[in-house]
Amino acid sequence: GAVVSQHPSWVICKSGTSVKIECRSLDFQATTMFWYRQFPKQSLMLMATSNEGSKATYEQGVEKDKFLINHASLTLSTLTVTSAHPEDSSFYICSARYREQFFGPGTRLTVL
Amino acid sequence: GENVEQHPSTLSVQEGDSAVIKCTYSDSASNYFPWYKQELGKGPQLIIDIRSNVGEKKDQRIAVTLNKTAKHFSLHITETQPEDSAVYFCAASRPGGYQKVTFGTGTKLQVIP
Repeated sequence: GAVVSQHPSWVICKSGTSVKIECRSLDFQATTMFWYRQFPKQSLMLMATSNEGSKATYEQGVEKDKFLINHASLTLSTLTVTSAHPEDSSFYICSARYREQFFGPGTRLTVL
Repeated sequence: GENVEQHPSTLSVQEGDSAVIKCTYSDSASNYFPWYKQELGKGPQLIIDIRSNVGEKKDQRIAVTLNKTAKHFSLHITETQPEDSAVYFCAASRPGGYQKVTFGTGTKLQVIP
């Protein structure tokens, strides 16, 4: 139980385009989901916390207009990287809270 | 906010030996301390956790200890195996709210066959 999926697992896009990443809790309902960013050989950096049906809470320094988060249901949250640039290339990981936090497998974003 | 420090950053052990990773935290209100294992290109997996009302917890070859007074907690892996090789993260979380988890900087564990 407590499985979290992410789609896509990897994506390559051109600079200036937008990319949407989906995070789903497959076998439980998650009132809270989290989005992290991880650079190579570094720790996870929390970007934002999203609660179903309300606006996401962004961490300091994270541009909310660039990283759009939607938590439309208790099992789905999406992260859209708008007008992506090469510096947005990273490993994006979501997690869903069900007593503890369970993490998705991550999405590798490469912006050319 | 919470600050979690983790040591060492890299650790190499011979297969069968024990590995110990140590973390300290700054927020005395934190009461939940999970440990995650992350393999290359994958998301973190919860391997064990401990709450502040417990001093030690064990699950087969893995154990975690917590010293609330000193604000430090440790992960112990005994009889290490090559498949234990990964990056391990400690974390700390406050009760209630959105339960944000603050991660340590990670330890790359290499188990040498």
